[in-house]
Amino acid sequence: KAGVTQTPRYLIKTRGQQVTLSCSPISGHRSVSWYQQTPGQGLQFLFEYFSETQRNKGNFPGRFSGRQFSNSRSEMNVSTLELGDSALYLCASSFSRTSGYNEQFFGPGTRLTVL
Amino acid sequence: GQQVMQIPQYQHVQEGEDFTTYCNSSTTLSNIQWYKQRPGGHPVFLIQLVKSGEVKKQKRLTFQFGEAKKNSSLHITATQTTDVGTYFCAALTNHQAGTALIFGKGTTLSVSS
Repeated sequence: KAGVTQTPRYLIKTRGQQVTLSCSPISGHRSVSWYQQTPGQGLQFLFEYFSETQRNKGNFPGRFSGRQFSNSRSEMNVSTLELGDSALYLCASSFSRTSGYNEQFFGPGTRLTVL
Repeated sequence: GQQVMQIPQYQHVQEGEDFTTYCNSSTTLSNIQWYKQRPGGHPVFLIQLVKSGEVKKQKRLTFQFGEAKKNSSLHITATQTTDVGTYFCAALTNHQAGTALIFGKGTTLSVSS
């Protein structure tokens, strides 16, 4: 079974630009969560989607948004990029709706650098 | 919102020594998960604990969930260089918009041979 894939793997943007990251979950997984990982803050929860519906959202500004498609693939978008948005963005998929009770399978991440 | 606190933040050991990382919460947790992230890699699920006082073992790794379900520990016996990485605990916690799997900040383990 193929793992979670994320594209692109690396991205360099400048302040003020916007960016879209993509995540394809493991086949059959309907829950997708997004995390931001930085050295200072660790893994911070962004949002979770199940069957195209956002179930939970972390404490991030409205510049961070996401969506999930009918094939469970998910995208996250960050508008008006700031230097502090530089981070590793990780996507994780799990099988069931109660993803917090199930093993999360992480993708390799997208390394975003904002200049 | 609820948080899970992990200590220590960093730990360096000699190969063969034991290692323990602790995860603490001020509120009762419904579950605790442990993940390992190798340098340059992504988090990989190790185990989940759900029951009060639960103890699970995976070879040299021992995971415990406290009786009050407010703390957990991961103990590695006789560390090897392959144990290097950051160990995270994560728990299902209440959030503004529902429940979410929230991660501790992790304990980074380095091992010298």
